[in-house]
Amino acid sequence: DTEVTQTPKHLVMGMTNKKSLKCEQHMGHRAMYWYKQKAKKPPELMFVYSYEKLSINESVPSRFSPECPNSSLLNLHLHALQPEDSALYLCASSQVEGARWNEQFFGPGTRLTVL
Amino acid sequence: AQSVTQLDSHVSVSEGTPVLLRCNYSSSYSPSLFWYVQHPNKGLQLLLKYTSAATLVKGINGFEAEFKKSETSFHLTKPSAHMSDAAEYFCVVSVENTGGFKTIFGAGTRLFVKA
Repeated sequence: DTEVTQTPKHLVMGMTNKKSLKCEQHMGHRAMYWYKQKAKKPPELMFVYSYEKLSINESVPSRFSPECPNSSLLNLHLHALQPEDSALYLCASSQVEGARWNEQFFGPGTRLTVL
Repeated sequence: AQSVTQLDSHVSVSEGTPVLLRCNYSSSYSPSLFWYVQHPNKGLQLLLKYTSAATLVKGINGFEAEFKKSETSFHLTKPSAHMSDAAEYFCVVSVENTGGFKTIFGAGTRLFVKA
């Protein structure tokens, strides 16, 4: 299984809502990533988990809260978001973090709209 | 500074004609290089990667890229474009960073294919 799955595909939320994005992989990868992608831009790294521990937080606002319950799952908890947070959120995984030949496998993304 | 530059933001070709998407990198060390494709509202899919085994790398869907160290380039080519190739293409470089390697995305090149 070489697939990264993400749910939901689409999410519309108000600025006072709390919601979560979910990502799953069963490739035995020990590094998992959250990216944010705005239209016509490359993905921007938000968080990296390595062996279920938060390794990198790219100065992301606290209204985004990642969680890695086990080696296959990655969540992104959302609270009090702003309209400018509307974007495509991509999850990715790789065998390990920080390796030279690090190929990342991407999920299809969650299209988030904040009203 | 280590970086990756995609020289064209947009490329337009006719179906059946060759495709050339240009990428230059800047790295103090021998880098690893990747090309990813992203269709609208989809995740990124790896097309090919350079891992120093061979300078001409063949990928999926008839794409290939040639690593030219003297020109610090890793251009993506395909002999004959198909309508389904219309997408966004990202050149990605893995560069040495504190404690490991860091992934840097190019800005992307949008490929249009005319019938």
